[in-house]
Amino acid sequence: SAVISQKPSRDICQRGTSLTIQCQVDSQVTMMFWYRQQPGQSLTLIATANQGSEATYESGFVIDKFPISRPNLTFSTLTVSNMSPEDSSIYLCSVERGQGTRADTQYFGPGTRLTVL
Amino acid sequence: AQTVTQSQPEMSVQEAETVTLSCTYDTSESDYYLFWYKQPPSRQMILVIRQEAYKQQNATENRFSVNFQKAAKSFSLKISDSQLGDAAMYFCAYDGTASKLTFGTGTRLQVTL
Repeated sequence: SAVISQKPSRDICQRGTSLTIQCQVDSQVTMMFWYRQQPGQSLTLIATANQGSEATYESGFVIDKFPISRPNLTFSTLTVSNMSPEDSSIYLCSVERGQGTRADTQYFGPGTRLTVL
Repeated sequence: AQTVTQSQPEMSVQEAETVTLSCTYDTSESDYYLFWYKQPPSRQMILVIRQEAYKQQNATENRFSVNFQKAAKSFSLKISDSQLGDAAMYFCAYDGTASKLTFGTGTRLQVTL
């Protein structure tokens, strides 16, 4: 498994501002993932972050709105920019670890609950 | 694109009883992984069980087991001897060659005394 921490655990923000969420993992990983979970909904992948390269964004998510940094193999940040109430969600990071012959199982951080007023 | 369907928005089980949560998926891939994750009110996503598609044997983890029917594209979770701590949202998830998790909509499990 993996030990993953996220900061902050929750925040309440004003519309138009930005929030940066940090994700720290206990050992080096190649890929880190960022998900959004809107109220009462399932998880949706925002982007995949590899160290040393630009993040890969899923359809419907753009770098200007959700810039991601991956400065090393144990850390990543997700910024939610120019926030609106529609951005109120839980944001989760995850990492991939192997149980079989490849890194094939994702383990999640505790999540960041964001409320935008 | 792969899709994951959980047709039971809510389920209820009495403590010590057995409950089965349903999941179906759609894919054209032959090599993939299936997962069940549990999300209690603390919102942490916790891995419950994992199944590799090439393995015919159903995965088991203590009180949790799956019924994996590859031809039918079905992946149900059975929880035996249910405990109060099992109350949570349960998400079925698919991971194929793209290494991206696709989640179902979730099933809320209530455990009653």
